[in-house]
Amino acid sequence: DTAVSQTPKYLVTQMGNDKSIKCEQNLGHDTMYWYKQDSKKFLKIMFSYNNKELIINETVPNRFSPKSPDKAHLNLHINSLELGDSAVYFCASSLAGGDTQYFGPGTRLTVL
Amino acid sequence: AQSVTQLDSQVPVFEEAPVELRCNYSSSVSVYLFWYVQYPNQGLQLLLKYLSGSTLVKSINGFEAEFNKSQTSFHLRKPSVHISDTAEYFCAVSDGYNNDMRFGAGTRLTVKP
Repeated sequence: DTAVSQTPKYLVTQMGNDKSIKCEQNLGHDTMYWYKQDSKKFLKIMFSYNNKELIINETVPNRFSPKSPDKAHLNLHINSLELGDSAVYFCASSLAGGDTQYFGPGTRLTVL
Repeated sequence: AQSVTQLDSQVPVFEEAPVELRCNYSSSVSVYLFWYVQYPNQGLQLLLKYLSGSTLVKSINGFEAEFNKSQTSFHLRKPSVHISDTAEYFCAVSDGYNNDMRFGAGTRLTVKP
């Protein structure tokens, strides 16, 4: 059973389009995250949600909007995609308190 | 806020040689420390972690790391590496209460035959 799953695994789209990436965890965790990994493998946190409430919101363009319908899901919606948005996006989850985060397999977004 | 510096971006070693991947952190509060491993085209997996207690922590596949508070370091070591250890390794620090985990830039370990 997959603990943290993301869909789709690959996403190729044109500049200016709007797209969403979905994330689900079945670990019973109450905190979920979105990270962006660039081509140099640098991993940067974008958002963190605890019990459906936004906790961390790093300096990310407001074209990126996370949505958490319930504790087990955290989706990422991106408007007006730009070339620089091309990256691998990882979802993760954890219990509250700063302990281990469990990562999904990643979504490779390519903007043409 | 806390931060992490991984001192080596790439570490090439021969199979069965020892290896050390260096990690230094900065924080004004007590920290939790982690090493994650990322194999090609996969997500990150926890390798080992320090939360409290014994400063030497070990993984099931032979890696170990030692928390050194005075030197603010958490270096990762393995006495004898395998080809299958080839991966990207990330050191991470968390402040332990607001789930804000910061990652280093990663170290690419390449094990050559």
